[in-house]
Amino acid sequence: QKEVEQNSGPLSVPEGAIASLNCTYSDRGSQSFFWYRQYSGKSPELIMSIYSNGDKEDGRFTAQLNKASQYVSLLIRDSQPSDSATYLCAVNFSGNTGKLIFGQGTTLQVKP
Amino acid sequence: ETGVTQSPTHLIKTRGQQVTLRCSSQSGHNTVSWYQQALGQGPQFIFQYYREEENGRGNFPPRFSGLQFPNYSSELNVNALELDDSALYLCASSPRLAGNEQFFGPGTRLTVL
Repeated sequence: QKEVEQNSGPLSVPEGAIASLNCTYSDRGSQSFFWYRQYSGKSPELIMSIYSNGDKEDGRFTAQLNKASQYVSLLIRDSQPSDSATYLCAVNFSGNTGKLIFGQGTTLQVKP
Repeated sequence: ETGVTQSPTHLIKTRGQQVTLRCSSQSGHNTVSWYQQALGQGPQFIFQYYREEENGRGNFPPRFSGLQFPNYSSELNVNALELDDSALYLCASSPRLAGNEQFFGPGTRLTVL
């Protein structure tokens, strides 16, 4: 059973702090990793994709991938109340389909 | 806005009925995937269509079926609706097949009574 695990939270951080969201996955052969943000009542919005080991930065967001440890994380710097949402980790496991396996999501609360 | 559209936005059906949900993919995208998202859970993969052919299916019964049309738009059909089919149904399009970024539409909220 291919799985993606996330802590459901809620993760609560003060405004301006760094929020750290973590995700582990079961298939060592996985190639593609994605972070989606989902506001309550809305659909998931792609915010980061990462394909190779290391860090990838985009504005206030940094995705980190460690394939040896089967671990991917998302850092949000200078967190804002508008970042309060559920963050979904998604993995495209090895194979020739585009099937994404999602974690259950981590709820982030940024307090003013 | 991703350019992916879905209709209808909301739908209420009764148990045993049939439903068709529609999705228009983003311009230039030839791959459409469908997901079911129950409340408080991550989306679950139903199936994917690439150039009008089914390419991969998740753990859903045959009463979940789909189509992709030459313009790459897609339909999801669910027969013999059950109460547990109540969920947000999401369509995602991507420019190619495997490993690529998928962009979600706004979803269709289905309620089965």
